[in-house]
Amino acid sequence: SQKIEQNSEALNIQEGKTATLTCNYTNYSPAYLQWYRQDPGRGPVFLLLIRENEKEKRKERLKVTFDTTLKQSLFHITASQPADSATYLCALEVAGRRALTFGSGTRLQVQP
Amino acid sequence: DTAVSQTPKYLVTQMGNDKSIKCEQNLGHDTMYWYKQDSKKFLKIMFSYNNKELIINETVPNRFSPKSPDKAHLNLHINSLELGDSAVYFCASSNLGQGNNSPLHFGNGTRLTVT
Repeated sequence: SQKIEQNSEALNIQEGKTATLTCNYTNYSPAYLQWYRQDPGRGPVFLLLIRENEKEKRKERLKVTFDTTLKQSLFHITASQPADSATYLCALEVAGRRALTFGSGTRLQVQP
Repeated sequence: DTAVSQTPKYLVTQMGNDKSIKCEQNLGHDTMYWYKQDSKKFLKIMFSYNNKELIINETVPNRFSPKSPDKAHLNLHINSLELGDSAVYFCASSNLGQGNNSPLHFGNGTRLTVT
């Protein structure tokens, strides 16, 4: 069956360090993958999109990699800040469905 | 100037009741969605409308009926509510006319509690 897996355990890191979150998928061949941030009581907010022919994408302190051989995307936040504390969701489109399928998210807690 | 707004934010009701959730987007997008987020935080697609036409209808009970009066509005009506319907329901929109990889814009959710 098709699966999108993210670490279900919270990730706790110290302010200033780099946070790395993992998204693994099986039985998909997505053309692109998206990352979202969700704060408590709010809807997810789009952060970055990476296409299958892109190895890496950057936006300010954020960096996303996409390895279609490993079927994995890594999401990095450099120089992390307490304000980065949130749940981060990866999402990809199942072929032909025209809607995103989401992972369950990883909660990031950045300690001051 | 909220982009995707849904009402109500909270909805507490008893089993067996019928309720509606409303959603509006002012982004000019051509596609709107309903997602359900359960207690384990999984976001699952329920329905999608593109230019008022239903394009995704996942396996949800037929007690759930979406309605899209125009491209900017998508409502969700739920009949005979059950305890298992308790969840957070998110409305979202995107512009599929710009390509299937168009990101989603979400509302802030409606927390439905069925007692």
